[in-house]
Amino acid sequence: NAGVMQNPRHLVRRRGQEARLRCSPMKGHSHVYWYRQLPEEGLKFMVYLQKENIIDESGMPKERFSAEFPKEGPSILRIQQVVRGDSAAYFCASSPPSGYYNEQFFGPGTRLTVL
Amino acid sequence: GQQLNQSPQSMFIQEGEDVSMNCTSSSIFNTWLWYKQDPGEGPVLLIALYKAGELTSNGRLTAQFGITRKDSFLNISASIPSDVGIYFCAGHKTSGSRLTFGEGTQLTVNP
Repeated sequence: NAGVMQNPRHLVRRRGQEARLRCSPMKGHSHVYWYRQLPEEGLKFMVYLQKENIIDESGMPKERFSAEFPKEGPSILRIQQVVRGDSAAYFCASSPPSGYYNEQFFGPGTRLTVL
Repeated sequence: GQQLNQSPQSMFIQEGEDVSMNCTSSSIFNTWLWYKQDPGEGPVLLIALYKAGELTSNGRLTAQFGITRKDSFLNISASIPSDVGIYFCAGHKTSGSRLTFGEGTQLTVNP
């Protein structure tokens, strides 16, 4: 039973380019969360999605950032026109359909470096 | 925004010693979770707590959900070198909602 998959593990972009980060949730999980982690800090929530729906995007910057979780395929976090401050580790987590016990399980992360 | 205050920030201990770290919040959380993160990896879930006052163990790890719902602690007994890493507390206010994380406790275990 594979865990949460993220790719790429490392991504280097120049300022102004686009970054696309992919996340495949655990089998049977329909909820996806994206978090960002700066060096030596805790994880900060960005966005929560279910299939084809954005449930909570209150942690995501209003400009340049977008996220989707289509009916088929992985969830995508997209950062347009990247800037140096976007350099961070981006983690995806998934959880099963809503219920009392819905722990979030994390992927290995994508480390984005903006040159 | 909402914060979880986690302490201590770092700990340096000898192999075999017990360790305790805690998390507090100014508001109520309905679930508390403890994660461990190794360098270059994602957080791995250690223990999940769902009821106020709940005490749960997972091997050498024990965690408690505070009775006020505003705090939690994690104990590690008889530490070993592979316990090295960053430990994060996290909580969410409602089932299925976002997680709020503490700033982490960096644990170093000297053999």
